[in-house]
Amino acid sequence: LAKTTQPISMDSYEGQEVNITCSHNNIATNDYITWYQQFPSQGPRFIIQGYKTKVTNEVASLFIPADRKSSTLSLPRVSLSDTAVYYCLVGEGNQGGKLIFGQGTELSVKP
Amino acid sequence: GAVVSQHPSWVICKSGTSVKIECRSLDFQATTMFWYRQFPKQSLMLMATSNEGSKATYEQGVEKDKFLINHASLTLSTLTVTSAHPEDSSFYICSASAGAMGEAFFGQGTRLTVV
Repeated sequence: LAKTTQPISMDSYEGQEVNITCSHNNIATNDYITWYQQFPSQGPRFIIQGYKTKVTNEVASLFIPADRKSSTLSLPRVSLSDTAVYYCLVGEGNQGGKLIFGQGTELSVKP
Repeated sequence: GAVVSQHPSWVICKSGTSVKIECRSLDFQATTMFWYRQFPKQSLMLMATSNEGSKATYEQGVEKDKFLINHASLTLSTLTVTSAHPEDSSFYICSASAGAMGEAFFGQGTRLTVV
């Protein structure tokens, strides 16, 4: 499974757009990029998954450049409730649920 | 999305006793479930893969005799922490994959405190 690197923490203010970038230089051809969100004392929650270019859902957008060596999770107009840890994972689909988590990015949204 | 439920949400036990944590897939069948452990301010660490009807597969460094996993049905996996000690205090989380994308769905986690 490809190793990922993310910023340890980020600060933002309510209403701003937040972009969290993840590096995955050793991504394999069959690998997908998946992001999870985790609130304190809760299990992670699936946010978005993509393979290339751009993916958008009701929660976030995922931007993946042509070389796929990095990806950016974009959260539009964050609110206080978006304060959480965000994990970027790379692997074949979702590895059937077998996931190797990196350190994650602790996002703090301030009023 | 699919729902994975864990029970209990939290448990306090005395050192030397055993604790069982249940993980259920409520609206889908899961031939494979996964168990993770998370210490404060750290990431999730995969402990083992629970396979329905067969032995679990443990990650390197995880003691199979201490963390007993049973996956007797397609909707239930259990993790038993045997002879628990304070260093076993942690947040235990299970997951299962479902849906066309195979994304993983996580339980709400179980906070274990050994005193």
